[in-house]
Amino acid sequence: QLQLQESGPGLVKPSETLSLTCTVSGDSISSSNYYWGWIRQPPGKGLEWIGNIYYTGTTYYNPSLKSRLTISVDKSNSQFSLKLSSVTAADTAVYYCASYRYGGRMDYWGQGTLVTVSS
Amino acid sequence: QSVLTQPPSASGTPGQRVTISCSGSSSNIGSNTVNWYQQLPGTAPKLLIYSNNQRPSGVPDRFSGSKSGTSASLAISELQSEDEADYYCAAWDDTLSAFVFGTGTKVSVL
Repeated sequence: QLQLQESGPGLVKPSETLSLTCTVSGDSISSSNYYWGWIRQPPGKGLEWIGNIYYTGTTYYNPSLKSRLTISVDKSNSQFSLKLSSVTAADTAVYYCASYRYGGRMDYWGQGTLVTVSS
Repeated sequence: QSVLTQPPSASGTPGQRVTISCSGSSSNIGSNTVNWYQQLPGTAPKLLIYSNNQRPSGVPDRFSGSKSGTSASLAISELQSEDEADYYCAAWDDTLSAFVFGTGTKVSVL
């Protein structure tokens, strides 16, 4: 069974870049069955899709974040990463990584990591 | 602001049936499949229903999903205390070229 685990700094300063990594285990990150995705949830609010990546490097980004967003994959380490630039307090959220299948079926999720944007 | 609208809350007593609606448009629910996620307090979301009405292995058959036109519904029959959670619908939106989640519904067991 797939397992995903987020890692990265819990505190980022305004205007800096938020960087997170998701480590995949239990199946190959190069599996044709999955895309790999990022989702976030501001404290007390709902879920927001950030974007997906396929093992080939093909990406799909939320248009509202696209200008600040980079998602990449590192097949050798079974990891995929998120970089969000020029962050503000509005980017404070719990960030989840998840497997993503056709139609939006997200079967497996990481436990989530809280990232706070503050000076 | 989400393009998928859900009621903020729903409630019932143990054993009752609760239904949650998800209202969208032709560019999302009307043309793509709907998924439902359950989020227990302090935990990551869990896939409850995919492809409108399919249950992943391990999800009790008390949970069922349906879709008609530009709306979808999640029904929880035989409500139990452990069903207290937030529930989100989700679908791809062709106009936005984005995956969108519903506004979320908090289910309380009275």
